[in-house]
Amino acid sequence: QLQLQESGPGLVKPSETLSLTCTVSGGSISSSNYYWGWIRQPPGKGLEWIGSILYSGRTYSNSSLKSRVTISVDTSKNQFSLKLSSVTAADTAVYYCARPLGVNTGGHFQHWGQGTLVTVSS
Amino acid sequence: EIVLTQSPATLSLSPGERATLSCRASQSLSSYLAWYQQKPGQAPRLLIYDASNRATGIPARFSGSGSGTDFTLTISSLEPEDFAVYYCQQRSTWPLTFGGGTKVEIK
Repeated sequence: QLQLQESGPGLVKPSETLSLTCTVSGGSISSSNYYWGWIRQPPGKGLEWIGSILYSGRTYSNSSLKSRVTISVDTSKNQFSLKLSSVTAADTAVYYCARPLGVNTGGHFQHWGQGTLVTVSS
Repeated sequence: EIVLTQSPATLSLSPGERATLSCRASQSLSSYLAWYQQKPGQAPRLLIYDASNRATGIPARFSGSGSGTDFTLTISSLEPEDFAVYYCQQRSTWPLTFGGGTKVEIK
């Protein structure tokens, strides 16, 4: 059974870079053309798609965050990662990694990590 | 960017009643719309994909319909565990976008 697990610091200082990793188990990140995604949810608010990546490294990201977002993949570790630079309090959120139902498409997300709360505060 | 508008923001209903949730897109999605359920402290759960297909393990009381710009999620008879927040999401065009959510609460 496919499982995803987010990891990274729970507290980041303003203006610094948020770094998270999603570790995939129960399946290979490079077995098919899935667009592995990052989604976030500020406390008490809705869901926001951050970006997605293919195992080949092709990425798409939210234009409102694009200049600050870097998504990468490490197939040898079966992981993909998110970096968000110059964070502010507005970036405080639960961050989820997810895998869509279908291949070769941004997709609808069937598999989700449990989420990790990242707080931006000095 | 495609904007998804969900209505109503809150739906107050009793167990056993029928729930009808709406999602309207700013441009045509064909059928590339999904519905998710989210309970407090949990990750979203995929209910419906491509407008009308139930995801694995989703009860038959959940159904989706619509195409183009207007979509509906129907819960035929609310069970106690169905009170939650529901989101729609489109995969028609990058960037992927979510609606703002509808909270289904107990009346």
